Amino acid sequence: QKEVEQNSGPLSVPEGAIASLNCTYSDRGSQSFFWYRQYSGKSPELIMFIYSNGDKEDGRFTAQLNKASQYVSLLIRDSQPSDSATYLCAVIDNYGQNFVFGPGTRLSVLP
Amino acid sequence: KAGVTQTPRYLIKTRGQQVTLSCSPISGHRSVSWYQQTPGQGLQFLFEYFSETQRNKGNFPGRFSGRQFSNSRSEMNVSTLELGDSALYLCASSLDGLNYGYTFGSGTRLTVV
Repeated sequence: QKEVEQNSGPLSVPEGAIASLNCTYSDRGSQSFFWYRQYSGKSPELIMFIYSNGDKEDGRFTAQLNKASQYVSLLIRDSQPSDSATYLCAVIDNYGQNFVFGPGTRLSVLP
Repeated sequence: KAGVTQTPRYLIKTRGQQVTLSCSPISGHRSVSWYQQTPGQGLQFLFEYFSETQRNKGNFPGRFSGRQFSNSRSEMNVSTLELGDSALYLCASSLDGLNYGYTFGSGTRLTVV
């Protein structure tokens, strides 16, 4: 059973702080990794994807991938109350056939 | 550029009935996937269609089925509805299926009474 795990939260951070969201996956051969944000009552929206080990930055967001340790993380710098949402990690398996979502981490940014 | 369009937005059905949901992907996207989202189970993959062929299927009973038309539009059908089928059904489209991630529609909220 291919699994993607995340802490359900809620993760609370003060406005302006760095929020760190973590995701681990069980399939060592997983290829591609995605972070989605879902506001309450809305559908998920893609924030970033990362394929290679290391960091990938996009504005206030940085995705970090460590395939040896089988984890991927998302850092949000200068967190804003508008970042309060559930963040979903998704992984494509080794065969490129399954797109598996984690349960999501609820982030709350306190003003 | 129009996004992924799902219809209807809300639906109330009675146990035992069947329902058909529709999804129009972003223009040029050939892959359409369907997900069920519930508070307890999160996002659960139903199936993926690419160029009118079902390419992947999740662990749902045969009551859940789908199809894709030549214009990439997709429909999902659930027969013999059960109370547990109440959920948000999300359709997502992608250029090639997986490598660029999915763009989701707004979903269809199905309530089975």
